[in-house]
Amino acid sequence: SQQGEEDPQALSIQEGENATMNCSYKTSINNLQWYRQNSGRGLVHLILIRSNEREKHSGRLRVTLDTSKKSSSLLITASRAADTASYFCATVRMDSNYQLIWGAGTKLIIKP
Amino acid sequence: DAGITQSPRYKITETGRQVTLMCHQTWSHSYMFWYRQDLGHGLRLIYYSAAADITDKGEVPDGYVVSRSKTENFPLTLESATRSQTSVYFCASRPDWEETQYFGPGTRLLVL
Repeated sequence: SQQGEEDPQALSIQEGENATMNCSYKTSINNLQWYRQNSGRGLVHLILIRSNEREKHSGRLRVTLDTSKKSSSLLITASRAADTASYFCATVRMDSNYQLIWGAGTKLIIKP
Repeated sequence: DAGITQSPRYKITETGRQVTLMCHQTWSHSYMFWYRQDLGHGLRLIYYSAAADITDKGEVPDGYVVSRSKTENFPLTLESATRSQTSVYFCASRPDWEETQYFGPGTRLLVL
């Protein structure tokens, strides 16, 4: 069963614009992670935010977590063509320290 | 090369045949995972392993068998392939001290 639900399913923006993706989940979590998947490739970890954190930055990435709403957002600023990929959120439940539960992903297309 | 590799990268087989997908990691990570990725489902955990000789079922284990006699290898066997097992299979690993998972490049399996 999916824990995370990403929104939107697909997003197409112009290069240079900001891209925001959202993730909602159902149960209490230990942490939430975002991964990127380029077409035909494996997933690459982007950022991890713990349940006691509200915001985290990594380069052009900004992640927020609202545990009261059971939701997270990933913001990519100043998007580039190379950011074209699918983005997935994954949660680690409080009752499990190793199982990631995945959403279906947001497909991001950056138009040059 | 160091990292996590999967073989074969592409496989076509017929219904009823046995197929083994290989996963090898050079980091000596304790945990290893097998996922399948289907359109609209994100990643679903098939089996995982916390150490050599320790394996456990994930969300969708039916029709699959795993073994882990050595830390670095985690083969996944489809005992009698079915069309519904057509998918992209990803292997991942992580060390004890980290919650990030590291993914292989995937195996695309087509069952005719």
